[in-house]
Amino acid sequence: AQSVTQPDIHITVSEGASLELRCNYSYGATPYLFWYVQSPGQGLQLLLKYFSGDTLVQGIKGFEAEFKRSQSSFNLRKPSVHWSDAAEYFCAVGAPLNRDDKIIFGKGTRLHILP
Amino acid sequence: EAQVTQNPRYLITVTGKKLTVTCSQNMNHEYMSWYRQDPGLGLRQIYYSMNVEVTDKGDVPEGYKVSRKEKRNFPLILESPSPNQTSLYFCASSLAAVLSGANVLTFGAGSRLTVL
Repeated sequence: AQSVTQPDIHITVSEGASLELRCNYSYGATPYLFWYVQSPGQGLQLLLKYFSGDTLVQGIKGFEAEFKRSQSSFNLRKPSVHWSDAAEYFCAVGAPLNRDDKIIFGKGTRLHILP
Repeated sequence: EAQVTQNPRYLITVTGKKLTVTCSQNMNHEYMSWYRQDPGLGLRQIYYSMNVEVTDKGDVPEGYKVSRKEKRNFPLILESPSPNQTSLYFCASSLAAVLSGANVLTFGAGSRLTVL
């Protein structure tokens, strides 16, 4: 079965600074990978996804993520964060070879932005 | 507007009093799922449904029931709620059960349930 780890529970960055949120997965083949964002009081919104092809994927709100097979990682990046990026971010992994199409979510990383 | 609608958004109830959280989607999605979100535990899947009349247990199904009589609706039923079911619940749907480039989850806004 697949699994996903987000090593950082909380991350604090200053507005305008660059951001990288870490995500590591475990799966015996190339997984499906997702990043979702949850703003306060809201549901989860898809930021970006990787299924195949180019390992650098662009998402909404200026986010990007890079799939690195050798490191089993799918880290989320943004060159310059805005105060409105303060939210909780979830990495998720799907297993293409499984019949149940289950998506496993990480425990989340809460992003705090300093003015 | 394409959306997943959950009701109620907030509910405080007492132990043992049956309740239902409704979920409806207007996107003609085949796949629907319920998750609970707890601090430090992320999202855990309760039940899911790949189509009408087809439901399966997720990772934490104990104490919950679901039904899928219509494609658009997927209610979550707590027959006898207990305090350990105090949580934030999310309903989600996707076009089809088979993962593909066009198939991602759309989430409802969440239902915060407190069981006293």
